[in-house]
Amino acid sequence: SAVISQKPSRDICQRGTSLTIQCQVDSQVTMMFWYRQQPGQSLTLIATANQGSEATYESGFVIDKFPISRPNLTFSTLTVSNMSPEDSSIYLCSVAKGSGNQPQHFGDGTRLSIL
Amino acid sequence: ELKVEQNPLFLSMQEGKNYTIYCNYSTTSDRLYWYRQDPGKSLESLFVLLSNGAVKQEGRLMASLDTKARLSTLHITAAVHDLSATYFCAVKETSGSRLTFGEGTQLTVNP
Repeated sequence: SAVISQKPSRDICQRGTSLTIQCQVDSQVTMMFWYRQQPGQSLTLIATANQGSEATYESGFVIDKFPISRPNLTFSTLTVSNMSPEDSSIYLCSVAKGSGNQPQHFGDGTRLSIL
Repeated sequence: ELKVEQNPLFLSMQEGKNYTIYCNYSTTSDRLYWYRQDPGKSLESLFVLLSNGAVKQEGRLMASLDTKARLSTLHITAAVHDLSATYFCAVKETSGSRLTFGEGTQLTVNP
């Protein structure tokens, strides 16, 4: 399975600021995804990071708030912009190879608190 | 829109007992996954179920899939404390790669 490095692992930020989260994989992967997990809740898909093109966002998530980059097949970033306390959450990167016969693998997550 | 429902959401059981967690989903799917999450940790893949009637077992956990009933089960045999965690099922729609997760089942195994 892929080894996924996600940085930072946690951060405490002031409202109105922005934070960029990085996700690095040790091998090329077809698909990269960004999820949000609010405390005690399930995972919600924010967007699919597409290599070389704009990310595909899920309902309720917009590019201006969560800009995503994916410059190559091993790296992606998620920025949480103009943060408010409601953005306090765990943000998880996941990766998948191929058609879905293998599971998505998840990074350790970024625990974000907004003051 | 695909909906995934798990039950129970909370499960407290004694060591040595058996129990089943259920995962129902609302539309056609060709892949179902089970994950485990320990407190403060990320998700660990447990099982990938690829077809109707698929059954997979690892240790005290066994997962099955009935695509006609749109139901998957995660059966726990002779529970031990180390199985305490939150278990998620996730369903992939037939088209595309996105996963929809269930609410999670928080399992506590008491000595």
